[in-house]
Amino acid sequence: EAQVTQNPRYLITVTGKKLTVTCSQNMNHEYMSWYRQDPGLGLRQIYYSMNVEVTDKGDVPEGYKVSRKEKRNFPLILESPSPNQTSLYFCASSLDGGAPETQYFGPGTRLLVL
Amino acid sequence: LAKTTQPISMDSYEGQEVNITCSHNNIATNDYITWYQQFPSQGPRFIIQGYKTKVTNEVASLFIPADRKSSTLSLPRVSLSDTAVYYCLVGEVYAGNMLTFGGGTRLMVKP
Repeated sequence: EAQVTQNPRYLITVTGKKLTVTCSQNMNHEYMSWYRQDPGLGLRQIYYSMNVEVTDKGDVPEGYKVSRKEKRNFPLILESPSPNQTSLYFCASSLDGGAPETQYFGPGTRLLVL
Repeated sequence: LAKTTQPISMDSYEGQEVNITCSHNNIATNDYITWYQQFPSQGPRFIIQGYKTKVTNEVASLFIPADRKSSTLSLPRVSLSDTAVYYCLVGEVYAGNMLTFGGGTRLMVKP
């Protein structure tokens, strides 16, 4: 089954404690990205990757890091989480950046930073 | 990226046709118009994309006037399961960061 998986689905942490949210897709998609969703703000793109070893900033990259060492995985790293990073995070992949009809979103990761 | 404006919410009844309009006055020549649907606690799902005139698929129709400064998503005969948030996005197809979502339109379908 074609899918994007994220782990963990729920996470409660404390300020400053490094964490990683994993994202994996099984569709051999080249394009992957991360979003955060906050009430009243819709989804905002954090980082995206057009292919392996190619990443670029989205609209709200501050406080986040990503890596794309292999095509299927695109982890989101919070080196020193802060309460303003409490949010719902979605990972997405598509065949390429210009094919939204092939885009799949993961189930989301709800993060609470105390 | 072109800024979009949509109604915050809409109500409808089962079986009715629903039209959600999105304004994008500063749309650029290379921009496409894409609509997504999002259910609670799920990621968005692609519905339809168009550049001009009319596009139709098995889920919806998209109407785009000649000046392209607005677009209308049309959902025929909605059901309760169409209750969701609908997002209108405008941007270049091959720009990796085209997917900037605004606040969306919260559609409530009532029995």
